[in-house]
Amino acid sequence: AQSVAQPEDQVNVAEGNPLTVKCTYSVSGNPYLFWYVQYPNRGLQFLLKYITGDNLVKGSYGFEAEFNKSQTSFHLKKPSALVSDSALYFCAVIPLNSGNTPLVFGKGTRLSVIA
Amino acid sequence: DAGVTQSPTHLIKTRGQQVTLRCSPKSGHDTVSWYQQALGQGPQFIFQYYEEEERQRGNFPDRFSGHQFPNYSSELNVNALLLGDSALYLCASNLFGTGGGEEEKLFFGSGTQLSVL
Repeated sequence: AQSVAQPEDQVNVAEGNPLTVKCTYSVSGNPYLFWYVQYPNRGLQFLLKYITGDNLVKGSYGFEAEFNKSQTSFHLKKPSALVSDSALYFCAVIPLNSGNTPLVFGKGTRLSVIA
Repeated sequence: DAGVTQSPTHLIKTRGQQVTLRCSPKSGHDTVSWYQQALGQGPQFIFQYYEEEERQRGNFPDRFSGHQFPNYSSELNVNALLLGDSALYLCASNLFGTGGGEEEKLFFGSGTQLSVL
């Protein structure tokens, strides 16, 4: 069965500094990988995805993520954090060519960007 | 264009009671999925409805049931509530067949916060 792990419950970073939110995955075969963000009283919002191709994918709000097959990781990054990036971030996975398989989410990482 | 709307936003129930949560999908969508997000956990898939039928189901007991109406809106029903059912319940909608790599076309509502006392 597929799963994702987000090893950090909380990440604190100063505004303007680079940020990284970690994610590792376990799936049979090749994965589709995703990052979502959840602001207070808001639903999940899609940030970016990795399907195939370039290991560095770019998404919304200046976020990017790097797929590393050998380390089975898909860390979310941003070169310069904003206070408004403070939110709950979820990594998710489904197996490649899985059709209508629902997303499997990690437990989430709370990002706090301090001014 | 209204997105996915859920009602109510908050709900308080006691153990043993029954609850119904409602979801209206984004305009143009015909498929509705429900997720449970417990405190400190990621969303877990409950089930998916398309053409008024349950198409997929996650690892949830039969106390969790649902319905989809001809206008594509959906209800989630939970019977015999337990304290552990306290969670944020998220509804997501998409057009059937837009999965498997097209998850940017899956839209989530803001959720219903259910507290069971």
